Amino acid sequence: GIQVEQSPPDLILQEGANSTLRCNFSDSVNNLQWFHQNPWGQLINLFYIPSGTKQNGRLSATTVATERYSLLYISSSQTTDSGVYFCAVRRSYNTDKLIFGTGTRLQVFP
Amino acid sequence: ETGVTQTPRHLVMGMTNKKSLKCEQHLGHNAMYWYKQSAKKPLELMFVYSLEERVENNSVPSRFSPECPNSSHLFLHLHTLQPEDSALYLCASSHDTARGYTFGSGTRLTVV
Repeated sequence: GIQVEQSPPDLILQEGANSTLRCNFSDSVNNLQWFHQNPWGQLINLFYIPSGTKQNGRLSATTVATERYSLLYISSSQTTDSGVYFCAVRRSYNTDKLIFGTGTRLQVFP
Repeated sequence: ETGVTQTPRHLVMGMTNKKSLKCEQHLGHNAMYWYKQSAKKPLELMFVYSLEERVENNSVPSRFSPECPNSSHLFLHLHTLQPEDSALYLCASSHDTARGYTFGSGTRLTVV
């Protein structure tokens, strides 16, 4: 099956710093999402980005589908950004399953 | 709220108990999913329902029994669980033409 690898596994930042999270996947995909899981377990959808670039406030994401990777940028990080960031991919628009990476655990300190 | 509601948020049950987890979505989606998240493991897909029919069952033990009475509701019936079944259980929904999955807040289950 398709493999999804995320790096780095852990990231510690001081408030105000910028960071880049990476997601590599092993096969063509039609759906790629970035999620933030907060300390209470809630998975918040950040971006639906099978290709191209999107921005939402301090967050932006870029997916280069032909090279099978996606990047999540966090600028001017805040303590509320702490949590685990997951990349997840799906190969088609039917109910084929969403495959999750192992996540990047981000800790932002004041 | 994301549009996908799970209840209860927390559940503690004994190994001989029977309980059910509930998931409800009002997003007009036609597929619903149960995922399990254990400590230090990736999210694992348990069940997929499309148009109220089960289309995937990832070798989940029979002590977990899903039910999808209609496109808006999904249940996970639990019986004779083991302590290693303690985990966060997440429900999600999607539409085959829509933009991605939406997850609920999860039920944190502890089996004692």
